[in-house]
Amino acid sequence: EPEVTQTPSHQVTQMGQEVILRCVPISNHLYFYWYRQILGQKVEFLVSFYNNEISEKSEIFDDQFSVERPDGSNFTLKIRSTKLEDSAMYFCASYRHPTSGRPDTQYFGPGTRLTVL
Amino acid sequence: EDKVVQSPLSLVVHEGDTVTLNCSYEVTNFRSLLWYKQEKKAPTFLFMLTSSGIEKKSGRLSSILDKKELSSILNITATQTGDSAIYLCAVEATGNQFYFGTGTSLTVIP
Repeated sequence: EPEVTQTPSHQVTQMGQEVILRCVPISNHLYFYWYRQILGQKVEFLVSFYNNEISEKSEIFDDQFSVERPDGSNFTLKIRSTKLEDSAMYFCASYRHPTSGRPDTQYFGPGTRLTVL
Repeated sequence: EDKVVQSPLSLVVHEGDTVTLNCSYEVTNFRSLLWYKQEKKAPTFLFMLTSSGIEKKSGRLSSILDKKELSSILNITATQTGDSAIYLCAVEATGNQFYFGTGTSLTVIP
């Protein structure tokens, strides 16, 4: 069974520091996503990425956030200057194999827990 | 503003009971509705629904979409303790944006 992987599993950082969260989506998937889930709250969409560019982003995804697919396999989320309220679980997901023949499924990674002190 | 609302927020049942979880949505450019089960960490996919009135089934779980009522239900029959989780409903809109509900927390007690 293919899977999305994320590193690190837990990141602790000081307020104002930059963090990069890494994801390896399922190979041959076309769409990639970042979500966050603040403890005890709902999953929130941050951004979707297709064809090497952002296709949609939410209000949460402000100028402090950026995404990249630097080498065709990794998909990264960068937070330039972290704030306390950025503390959350960040999930990466990938979607849509073009020829799998299976119902389209969005696969989530295990998440990175970001703690901003 | 697009939104997805799930009810009830939480539910406690005994093993063997049948439960029905509800999801309603107000999302422009609806494309599909998805159900996920979230245990400790990442949500795991259960169903994707695109057509109204067609039931999808997987073991003791089933789900159906009603596009006229802008809603979906997820049924779990003969519940087991392993069904205890948060069940998330999400709606995909064109443009590849997903909107999640707050989830229904299900606890199945032996």
